[in-house]
Amino acid sequence: DAKTTQPPSMDCAEGRAANLPCNHSTISGNEYVYWYRQIHSQGPQYIIHGLKNNETNEMASLIITEDRKSSTLILPHATLRDTAVYYCIVRVDQGGKLIFGQGTELSVKP
Amino acid sequence: DVKVTQSSRYLVKRTGEKVFLECVQDMDHENMFWYRQDPGLGLRLIYFSYDVKMKEKGDIPEGYSVSREKKERFSLILESASTNQTSMYLCASISGGRANEKLFFGSGTQLSVL
Repeated sequence: DAKTTQPPSMDCAEGRAANLPCNHSTISGNEYVYWYRQIHSQGPQYIIHGLKNNETNEMASLIITEDRKSSTLILPHATLRDTAVYYCIVRVDQGGKLIFGQGTELSVKP
Repeated sequence: DVKVTQSSRYLVKRTGEKVFLECVQDMDHENMFWYRQDPGLGLRLIYFSYDVKMKEKGDIPEGYSVSREKKERFSLILESASTNQTSMYLCASISGGRANEKLFFGSGTQLSVL
């Protein structure tokens, strides 16, 4: 199974861009990269996903390197409400099974 | 938006009790999952189901069973609750088949076994 590696914690100033990195060097060609976040004591929330191309939605942007071995989630203007644990996940199978790593704890500070 | 509803936000049970955690989704999803989450251990998959009356063991099925009698409902059962089953339990669902679909989570049930 493809595994992901993320830094355990990061800080970001409110209003600045938060760039969260993820390594997935064993990813296979048809596996998608997913990002979820979990605010304390709530269920994980979907943010964005991608295969090869960069993606953007109302929440974030996802930049995937050309060799697909790493990606970066960008929150363009972080707010205090973006403080959460962010999980980078490679989809394991067609059935939706996801293997969660430890994630990155992002602290947005005033 | 898809809604995944877990029946209880907080539960307190005694050791040895039989515990039912209920999960209902409203989008006709085929696949449903139960995870537990513990500090320092992250989310771990307990059981999952790809269809009614089907179930598959995840990474930590010991001490748990599941039931899926209807497509929209997936129940997690602790036959005889123990203190080491104190945890946050998360239910999730996804429409099966394609690789690029989203997994939706419920709000979680914080279970305390005393």
